Amino acid sequence: DAGVIQSPRHEVTEMGQEVTLRCKPISGHNSLFWYRQTMMRGLELLIYFNNNVPIDDSGMPEDRFSAKMPNASFSTLKIQPSEPRDSAVYFCASSGLAGGQETQYFGPGTRLLVL
Amino acid sequence: GQSLEQPSEVTAVEGAIVQINCTYQTSGFYGLSWYQQHDGGAPTFLSYNALDGLEETGRFSSFLSRSDSYGYLLLQELQMKDSASYFCAVRDNYGQNFVFGPGTRLSVLP
Repeated sequence: DAGVIQSPRHEVTEMGQEVTLRCKPISGHNSLFWYRQTMMRGLELLIYFNNNVPIDDSGMPEDRFSAKMPNASFSTLKIQPSEPRDSAVYFCASSGLAGGQETQYFGPGTRLLVL
Repeated sequence: GQSLEQPSEVTAVEGAIVQINCTYQTSGFYGLSWYQQHDGGAPTFLSYNALDGLEETGRFSSFLSRSDSYGYLLLQELQMKDSASYFCAVRDNYGQNFVFGPGTRLSVLP
């Protein structure tokens, strides 16, 4: 398996522009997570899907952020309009039960810079 | 609220043993996980404890005491490549929330 795939790997945009981050989870995994990582705030869970249904979006910073999972193999995180404080690394992770444990597999991340 | 505490930095020499502690305060508890993250990379899973006791995986071991809300990651026979950040994470509320600790930066010196 190719692992969790994220695109783009790097994104530089100007304040006010729309940004769409994409994620393909590992085939067969039924949970998908979006995280944001910054030096100041560490690794924060933004939203979590189970079987394509959003379960907990309490970590989404504000209405400018939205996430969708139209099917088991694809999810998007959208920021509209973007602001400089959104600059961070955004990780997507997927998980599925294995041997009684639950392991999250992270994608390589999207490094977002909003100017 | 939910919070996890870890030391911010730990330094050790090659071949040594180091222990990274994690204390947590959450509204529920579903398990304690440990992740490793190298600079510029993504977190990678190391271990998971749902029950009290020690779990061993090669040079790495993880311990959990639910009564103390405490766990640790033990790294033995340290190697230079072990220099990275290590995060503990708790899943609480029967798996509805996933919270990461602030991370511990481990530096392994020659």
